[in-house]
Amino acid sequence: NAGVTQTPKFRILKIGQSMTLQCAQDMNHNYMYWYRQDPGMGLKLIYYSVGAGITDKGEVPNGYNVSRSTTEDFPLRLELAAPSQTSVYFCASSKSGWSLHFGNGTRLTVT
Amino acid sequence: KNEVEQSPQNLTAQEGEFITINCSYSVGISALHWLQQHPGGGIVSLFMLSSGKKKHGRLIATINIQEKHSSLHITASHPRDSAVYICAVGGGTDKLIFGTGTRLQVFP
Repeated sequence: NAGVTQTPKFRILKIGQSMTLQCAQDMNHNYMYWYRQDPGMGLKLIYYSVGAGITDKGEVPNGYNVSRSTTEDFPLRLELAAPSQTSVYFCASSKSGWSLHFGNGTRLTVT
Repeated sequence: KNEVEQSPQNLTAQEGEFITINCSYSVGISALHWLQQHPGGGIVSLFMLSSGKKKHGRLIATINIQEKHSSLHITASHPRDSAVYICAVGGGTDKLIFGTGTRLQVFP
């Protein structure tokens, strides 16, 4: 099992550009999450999904969108990148909300 | 006041020392999680507990529900234990609330 796979590992965007962070899991987990991690702060939940076709906002959803068309994939879309979105992004998955498995993270810089 | 507080923020130790990291929380919880984040950035779940104590190798996690407090202990610490240790509360349908982490450095 690969676990949770995130791509890319690093990305630099110019202000106003768009991009999609990819996340896939092969553990048949129903729950998936996107978090961001800023220096000195705890992980903050951006969006989450409890199953295919279902998504919901977390604490900090503004500027992001997600979709969950399959159990395996949960991409995160940034439409108009802003410097405030410079962060490290983590995708995670779990079986019904217990024992999270994390991806290796994506370090995003917006300049 | 943060809902999940960890102490200390930074910790240095000599190899072989016994280490304790503390986590206090102010909300009712379904479970408490200890996570490890290595310098490369990846995050690994170490423990999930809702009562008592769990042990895995040199790591021990305890929780006191009445006092809303948990501790993570590392016995016979080793440089490879150097990482950021993160406490989080929640689980199931309750969203996780994360602490800001404790940075541990173990020197040979």
